[in-house]
Amino acid sequence: AQSVTQLGSHVSVSEGALVLLRCNYSSSVPPYLFWYVQYPNQGLQLLLKYTSAATLVKGINGFEAEFKKSETSFHLTKPSAHMSDAAEYFCAVSSNNNDMRFGAGTRLTVKP
Amino acid sequence: ETGVTQSPTHLIKTRGQQVTLRCSSQSGHNTVSWYQQALGQGPQFIFQYYREEENGRGNFPPRFSGLQFPNYSSELNVNALELDDSALYLCASSAGLAGHTDTQYFGPGTRLTVL
Repeated sequence: AQSVTQLGSHVSVSEGALVLLRCNYSSSVPPYLFWYVQYPNQGLQLLLKYTSAATLVKGINGFEAEFKKSETSFHLTKPSAHMSDAAEYFCAVSSNNNDMRFGAGTRLTVKP
Repeated sequence: ETGVTQSPTHLIKTRGQQVTLRCSSQSGHNTVSWYQQALGQGPQFIFQYYREEENGRGNFPPRFSGLQFPNYSSELNVNALELDDSALYLCASSAGLAGHTDTQYFGPGTRLTVL
């Protein structure tokens, strides 16, 4: 069975500071990993995904994530936070077994 | 290009009733997945349809059922509603059959409240 754990339900950073959202996964097969963002009253938007190619994945809006197999991690980072980054972020894991598991989410607050 | 749309946006039902939620997939997409997102939680996979056939199901009881139509739009039906069914129901479409590894495009969701 596959699962995702997001460390920290709430993260607060100042505008311009580094954003680091943590995600650890469990999977018995090589995983596909995703980060999604959800703004209030909206659906999910894909930020980036890892599909066993390059371990450093670049996404939209300046976000990137690094797949570390030894640490079973896929943390999301952005060098400089913007006010518009305030949202809920979800990490998800999937394989080719027609299942997809999401973490509980991390709410990012950006302070001016 | 039209994105994924869902209807209705909000719905209030009482316990024991039945509900049908609708989803129009993005143009060119033949796979639709449904998710339940309870308040304060991540989405949970309900099931997926590919070319009108169910192609995988999460841990949801049979009273959650679905359909996909020849135009690849989809319905989610929930019978005998329970209070715990109150949630945001998300539909996502993708272009191919690869479980969930293809990029999925999500609709804005239907907020269901069961009283």
